[in-house]
Amino acid sequence: DAGVTQSPTHLIKTRGQHVTLRCSPISGHKSVSWYQQVLGQGPQFIFQYYEKEERGRGNFPDRFSARQFPNYSSELNVNALLLGDSALYLCASSVGLTGIYYEQYFGPGTRLTVT
Amino acid sequence: GNSVTQMEGPVTLSEEAFLTINCTYTATGYPSLFWYVQYPGEGLQLLLKATKADDKGSNKGFEATYRKETTSFHLEKGSVQVSDSAVYFCALSDPIQGAQKLVFGQGTRLTINP
Repeated sequence: DAGVTQSPTHLIKTRGQHVTLRCSPISGHKSVSWYQQVLGQGPQFIFQYYEKEERGRGNFPDRFSARQFPNYSSELNVNALLLGDSALYLCASSVGLTGIYYEQYFGPGTRLTVT
Repeated sequence: GNSVTQMEGPVTLSEEAFLTINCTYTATGYPSLFWYVQYPGEGLQLLLKATKADDKGSNKGFEATYRKETTSFHLEKGSVQVSDSAVYFCALSDPIQGAQKLVFGQGTRLTINP
């Protein structure tokens, strides 16, 4: 079975631009979470979606938005890019939200560089 | 809020050495605890987990015990290999709005020399 897939692998953008990152969860998983990992740090939670509804949001500005589609894939959008948005963006999927269904499986990430 | 603190790295060991990476947490309630590993250029892989006090998670020779009294979840391995070189993250589950998020430590880079 395929794991969590993310696209693109790498991306270079200029300050002020907009970017869209994509994630496909493991088949049968209904929850997708997004994390930002700045170089040398642990991942920071951005969003969690379950059954196409936002279930949680981390301490990120409104420039960050996301959505989940009927097939449970997800997009992360970032507007008005800043240099500080340069990071590895990780997507994780899980069957559900709590208990034994919560175990999260991570994709390889999208490396975003803002110049 | 809930948080995780890991020992500072980097850690460099020789092959077959004993490994300990310290992890302590601050949390309300009783979170599940995790160790994730990140190999160069890759995403995170779940290494092991424990869901309640005194549980021991184990996988690939790695072990960690959920210690509620010391709020710790230290990662250990008796004999490390070169292939264990990676960044290790301790994490806990933090409930939000009827769901859960993972809160990670800052990571510990481990290098094993042959």
